[in-house]
This record gives sequence, structure tokens and C-alpha cells, in this order.
Amino acid sequence: GAGVSQSPRYKVAKRGQDVALRCDPISGHVSLFWYQQALGQGPEFLTYFQNEAQLDKSGLPSDRFFAERPEGSVSTLKIQRTQQEDSAVYLCASSGETQYFGPGTRLLVL
Amino acid sequence: KQEVTQIPAALSVPEGENLVLNCSFTDSAIYNLQWFRQDPGKGLTSLLLIQSSQREQTSGRLNASLDKSSGRSTLYIAASQPGDSATYLCASGGNQFYFGTGTSLTVIP
Repeated sequence: GAGVSQSPRYKVAKRGQDVALRCDPISGHVSLFWYQQALGQGPEFLTYFQNEAQLDKSGLPSDRFFAERPEGSVSTLKIQRTQQEDSAVYLCASSGETQYFGPGTRLLVL
Repeated sequence: KQEVTQIPAALSVPEGENLVLNCSFTDSAIYNLQWFRQDPGKGLTSLLLIQSSQREQTSGRLNASLDKSSGRSTLYIAASQPGDSATYLCASGGNQFYFGTGTSLTVIP
């Protein structure tokens, strides 16, 4: 595909449920980023991969959040035991010189 | 940690007006400065990227400037159109972007 794709686009989860969000970056992009965007706010950095290596995970809000990119392409952001404050749009971006963003996954935790 | 601020938070202008969006950042040691557009329910679209060694970038009706010493960037939109209505975000950094909270722009036909 020509751009970054994310799935699912929308996810409703019951509090305590585990969720997995997928990101397909632009083919050949080495760098991949995850951001969390709360309503009315700018995106907040979560984590960064270079190929399969997770070089920075300083933005992950708790140990319930886990990200992986085992083959250096597709990445998955997993949230365990979801809580209401996890409700947000989760954006993935891949980059060459500039970052290209996917449409995001809108997560609602009830 | 880099703090990025955008003013105003919201702006409404009549079609055809020229306008300026402001972005300020606390740490002048930035790698680059990027302006994005975000439409409701959509991801971010990159508009202009200014490297730290540059002072401005232009694309069509858009012009972005960067003054590292004062920690400021501006996005100038000429002859605004209703299709320009969106949220505009600036972000500073390099491998990791620090985003402002955005300016919500409405261009009234």
C-alpha cells in the first residue's frame, strides 16, 4: 500500500479486557513510532522502533502497555487490563525523512 | 522535556483572509520543526518540514518559518479557503516528535 495502515479503526473494550492494535508501515521504512492522542490534545509519544529493535519506550504510560515489531515491519501495540483512561486515538507513524501517519485506532474503554 | 505551545487554540476567519498560526517551544536545540494538518477522525498529514539549519519552507499558499533562538515557528496561510478548515499541529524534535495541542481553524465561506 501507499501509506501507513492501522487496524482496527475502532475498538470498544470492556474495562479489564486486553486489546491489540496493529500498524502496517510504509514498505521499507526503518523507523516506526506509536503515539497516543487524547481528545482535544496533540499526540503524545509512546515508543519508537528502528527495524525490530525498540530503541525508546519512555512514553509508555504503564507496564500494561507493550509494543513489538518482531520482523522489523508490522508492529503491534498491546494494552493489557484496559482502563477507562486508556481511551484515546492510537496513532502509528513510519518515517524516512518525515513521519507519515496512519489514520489511527480509536479505542473506547467502557 | 520539550514543551510545545500553540496559539490560538481556535481561529475562525472569512474565506480569502490571510492568517498566521503560532507555535513556541522551550528547548531551542531541536532537530527539525514540522507542521501537520489533522482532519476530524483522520491521521496527520505533513504540510511542511523545516530542518534546524533552515529558516523557512514554502508550499503553495503555505509558508512556515523557524526562529530557533526565540523558540518560535509560524505557519502563514494565504488566501484561506473553506477546505483549509482543520486542526493544525506543530511538532519539534527528531526521532521523537513533541506536539503542540493544535489550532482548530474554521474558514467561513
